[in-house]
Amino acid sequence: DAKTTQPNSMESNEEEPVHLPCNHSTISGTDYIHWYRQLPSQGPEYVIHGLTSNVNNRMASLAIAEDRKSSTLILHRATLRDAAVYYCILRARWAGSYQLTFGKGTKLSVIP
Amino acid sequence: KAGVTQTPRYLIKTRGQQVTLSCSPISGHRSVSWYQQTPGQGLQFLFEYFSETQRNKGNFPGRFSGRQFSNSRSEMNVSTLELGDSALYLCASSLGAGSLPTDTQYFGPGTRLTVL
Repeated sequence: DAKTTQPNSMESNEEEPVHLPCNHSTISGTDYIHWYRQLPSQGPEYVIHGLTSNVNNRMASLAIAEDRKSSTLILHRATLRDAAVYYCILRARWAGSYQLTFGKGTKLSVIP
Repeated sequence: KAGVTQTPRYLIKTRGQQVTLSCSPISGHRSVSWYQQTPGQGLQFLFEYFSETQRNKGNFPGRFSGRQFSNSRSEMNVSTLELGDSALYLCASSLGAGSLPTDTQYFGPGTRLTVL
């Protein structure tokens, strides 16, 4: 399985930008980078995904390094509702389909 | 559109019993995946169903099984429960069969199973 490395935890002040890093040095050319997050007492929810180029959506931005060995999820203005565990996932084909292989993730705390 | 629903939300069983958990996917979604989440092991993939067929299976013992019905609803069953089966069981649905790396999975709130 393709592996990702994330910090165990991070803190951010409310209304400030947050940069969540992810290392994936063994990524292959066809692996997509996905981010999901899990709010307390809820199931994970999709945040964003990308392959090579930087991506933006209404929730966040994804910055992918040129060599694709690392990426950064950017929350432009953290709110209290963004406090969650953020998972960086390499979506690779395994046994015929693209399953999500979750790591430990980064627990983001947002300080009012 | 209603999200993924899972029933029951909480369940308490004793060792040796069996349990059945249910998942209703988002309308129109044909793929259902199941995951187990524990504090020690994190989120682990159990199996995926598409069009009533199991497409993929994680590394779990045969006590864990599942099925999918023609309306895409899915059930998972755990027989001969062990203390270590205490976990949050999450169901996720997606439009496709996991055949695209861009398929988004939509998760339900989970069923919290406690084995005493």
